[in-house]
Amino acid sequence: DQQVKQNSPSLSVQEGRISILNCDYTNSMFDYFLWYKKYPAEGPTFLISISSIKDKNEDGRFTVFLNKSAKHLSLHIVPSQPGDSAVYFCAASATDSWGKLQFGAGTQVVVTP
Amino acid sequence: KAGVTQTPRYLIKTRGQQVTLSCSPISGHRSVSWYQQTPGQGLQFLFEYFSETQRNKGNFPGRFSGRQFSNSRSEMNVSTLELGDSALYLCASSVTGRTEAFFGQGTRLTVV
Repeated sequence: DQQVKQNSPSLSVQEGRISILNCDYTNSMFDYFLWYKKYPAEGPTFLISISSIKDKNEDGRFTVFLNKSAKHLSLHIVPSQPGDSAVYFCAASATDSWGKLQFGAGTQVVVTP
Repeated sequence: KAGVTQTPRYLIKTRGQQVTLSCSPISGHRSVSWYQQTPGQGLQFLFEYFSETQRNKGNFPGRFSGRQFSNSRSEMNVSTLELGDSALYLCASSVTGRTEAFFGQGTRLTVV
């Protein structure tokens, strides 16, 4: 049962434009969400996180938005750069689940010049 | 600050053998989690250790086990290897297990 879903397997965006990645979840016990970036054969790199007590968190070019009523979060990357080309994973953690992150299937982002 | 270190980076084993993977967390991080990544199943949680105790476990068979030492370093063991165990094994550390988790580079295990 996939509790974290990234329904877009791929996204192509022009350099300098905004990348918007989406993630939906079904488990109402999730209260902490993270985004990771991953290159092939490497470990995921932490980008940004958000707690369920917030609806927005910013860090440089990255902003994460959380809509708890819709069980939806999104990651905005502005402006997109060629080095942003990677697979992006959304992950969620539940209040009763220590150390366990549930991941979406990932979205492959390609930033074109 | 040193990141999460996993050794070895690559392993080739034969079916039926057993393997041990190692993970050294970021200094000060007491929580270590293990994940398996395969093309078909994505990133799947194996288990988590905190202060030498397993606090959480995923849906993997008993052939997959782990432990954590007093210095927070962790090992993962897979016994009686099967072809389907071929995967990238990732370890992540965090301060408490409910904060940002940082991943190592992974160990690529190939079972032949």
